[in-house]
Amino acid sequence: AQSVTQLGSHVSVSEGALVLLRCNYSSSVPPYLFWYVQYPNQGLQLLLKYTTGATLVKGINGFEAEFKKSETSFHLTKPSAHMSDAAEYFCAVSDIGNQGGKLIFGQGTELSVKP
Amino acid sequence: DTAVSQTPKYLVTQMGNDKSIKCEQNLGHDTMYWYKQDSKKFLKIMFSYNNKELIINETVPNRFSPKSPDKAHLNLHINSLELGDSAVYFCASSQDRGRTEAFFGQGTRLTVV
Repeated sequence: AQSVTQLGSHVSVSEGALVLLRCNYSSSVPPYLFWYVQYPNQGLQLLLKYTTGATLVKGINGFEAEFKKSETSFHLTKPSAHMSDAAEYFCAVSDIGNQGGKLIFGQGTELSVKP
Repeated sequence: DTAVSQTPKYLVTQMGNDKSIKCEQNLGHDTMYWYKQDSKKFLKIMFSYNNKELIINETVPNRFSPKSPDKAHLNLHINSLELGDSAVYFCASSQDRGRTEAFFGQGTRLTVV
């Protein structure tokens, strides 16, 4: 069965500092991986995705993530945090095949950005 | 021009009542989903429909009944609401059964009192 683990339920950084949100996955098939962001009282917005091809993927708002099969990781980074990055971040793997592509989410990481 | 829209955004109701949440997508996707987000923000799949056919029913109490009149709509009806049903419910849609990203609605915050 597929699963996702996000290390750290809460991460706090200073404005301008590096953002690193960790995600490890378990999958018996080549994974389809996603990072979503959720701002308060809003739905989930896609930041970036890995399906096939290049292992370093770039997303919106300056975020990027690198798929590392050997480490079963898909960590999210941003070189310089902005106050507007404060939100909840979810890593997810898609359970493709006969499970209809449901997303299996990690428990989420709340990012705080200090001035 | 909202891609996935769900109504209502907020729903406060008493225990024992029956309520419905509606969802519509204008993306032309074949697959639609209902997810539940609990008070700890954990997200879990409830149902999935592909071209109006139920393909995932993730051990949800049968008080919850999804209905898909066409592939652009997926509604959620809940009978005999309980306190534990309080949560945020998200509708989503995708193409290619998960090989591309899912698009989410804004959520319906259900509060059962």
